[in-house]
Amino acid sequence: KAGVTQTPRYLIKTRGQQVTLSCSPISGHRSVSWYQQTPGQGLQFLFEYFSETQRNKGNFPGRFSGRQFSNSRSEMNVSTLELGDSALYLCASSQGGGNTEAFFGQGTRLTVV
Amino acid sequence: GQQLNQSPQSMFIQEGEDVSMNCTSSSIFNTWLWYKQDPGEGPVLLIALYKAGELTSNGRLTAQFGITRKDSFLNISASIPSDVGIYFCAGFSGTYKYIFGTGTRLKVLA
Repeated sequence: KAGVTQTPRYLIKTRGQQVTLSCSPISGHRSVSWYQQTPGQGLQFLFEYFSETQRNKGNFPGRFSGRQFSNSRSEMNVSTLELGDSALYLCASSQGGGNTEAFFGQGTRLTVV
Repeated sequence: GQQLNQSPQSMFIQEGEDVSMNCTSSSIFNTWLWYKQDPGEGPVLLIALYKAGELTSNGRLTAQFGITRKDSFLNISASIPSDVGIYFCAGFSGTYKYIFGTGTRLKVLA
């Protein structure tokens, strides 16, 4: 069974630009969560999607948005990039029901210059 | 952002030694997960705990779900060099998100 796939692995963007990251969950998993990881703040929850609906959202500005498609693949978008958005963005998939084990992808390393 | 208290923050140990780390929260959780993360990679799930008092093993790893549901413990027996990495706990409260610990950085001296 394939694991969680995140693309791209690495990105370099300029301040003010926007970026879209993609996550393909494990086959059969309907929940996708996104996290931002930085050395200073650790793993911070961005949002969670289940069956194309956002069920929970973390404390991030509106520049951070996401969506989920009918095949459970998810994208997150960051607009008007700031230097502080440089981080490892991780996606986790789970079945979303009573089984709450979450499996992570390798992440996308975003560098804003 | 919200994070769980995890200790120790870092530890250096000799190969062959046992390791213990713990995670505490002010909130009750329904599920505790333990992950290991290598540099530049995503966290890998090690153990999942679902019931208060539950003790679960995965090879040399043993984790326990605290009776109060506000803490969890991870033990690694007979450490080896490949145990190096950052270990995270995560609590799931049922509100569709996981809260992560601050991480324990483990370094094993051969």
